[in-house]
Amino acid sequence: NAGVTQTPKFRVLKTGQSMTLLCAQDMNHEYMYWYRQDPGMGLRLIHYSVGEGTTAKGEVPDGYNVSRLKKQNFLLGLESAAPSQTSVYFCASSYSLAGAYEQYFGPGTRLTVT
Amino acid sequence: GNSVTQMEGPVTLSEEAFLTINCTYTATGYPSLFWYVQYPGEGLQLLLKATKADDKGSNKGFEATYRKETTSFHLEKGSVQVSDSAVYFCALDLDSNYQLIWGAGTKLIIKP
Repeated sequence: NAGVTQTPKFRVLKTGQSMTLLCAQDMNHEYMYWYRQDPGMGLRLIHYSVGEGTTAKGEVPDGYNVSRLKKQNFLLGLESAAPSQTSVYFCASSYSLAGAYEQYFGPGTRLTVT
Repeated sequence: GNSVTQMEGPVTLSEEAFLTINCTYTATGYPSLFWYVQYPGEGLQLLLKATKADDKGSNKGFEATYRKETTSFHLEKGSVQVSDSAVYFCALDLDSNYQLIWGAGTKLIIKP
């Protein structure tokens, strides 16, 4: 049982390049989330999904797109990376609503945009 | 608006010391409250939670009591170990949406 996995673990991009971060969970969770973590700011929600084929914006969605084509996968895309997107990105999943059920986190992806 | 405020870190303690990490919140309604922990190089994991006033969450020797009158959820442990070194996040959830609202995190360093 792998839980939540993220690919890649590290990435360096040049400004304007694009990339996709992959999140996979094997717990059959309905809800999935993408966060970014910046020093002194805690976690900020980028996008989330309440089920296969659905996505919604979180607190800081600009510059990111997401897709949930399969229940177990949640992809985060950066179409044109900017230095402000240098951060650590965490994916999480939960069985149901955030408060009622624990969120399970992946190990994170450290992204640097130069 | 809804928010969570944690004490700034890092907090540095010696092994076997008593730990308190303060967390206060502002929220409309009746939130659930959480402490998550992030060990070095890992993702966050739930440490404990409380869903209503006066509830006490506990796990791995850590405790926190949901105090509605002071809007607080302070994390405590009677005797810390080097292995407790991590970043601790306080968070709240309002049933009205899917989002957890996070504090900024408090880094805890335990010296042997």
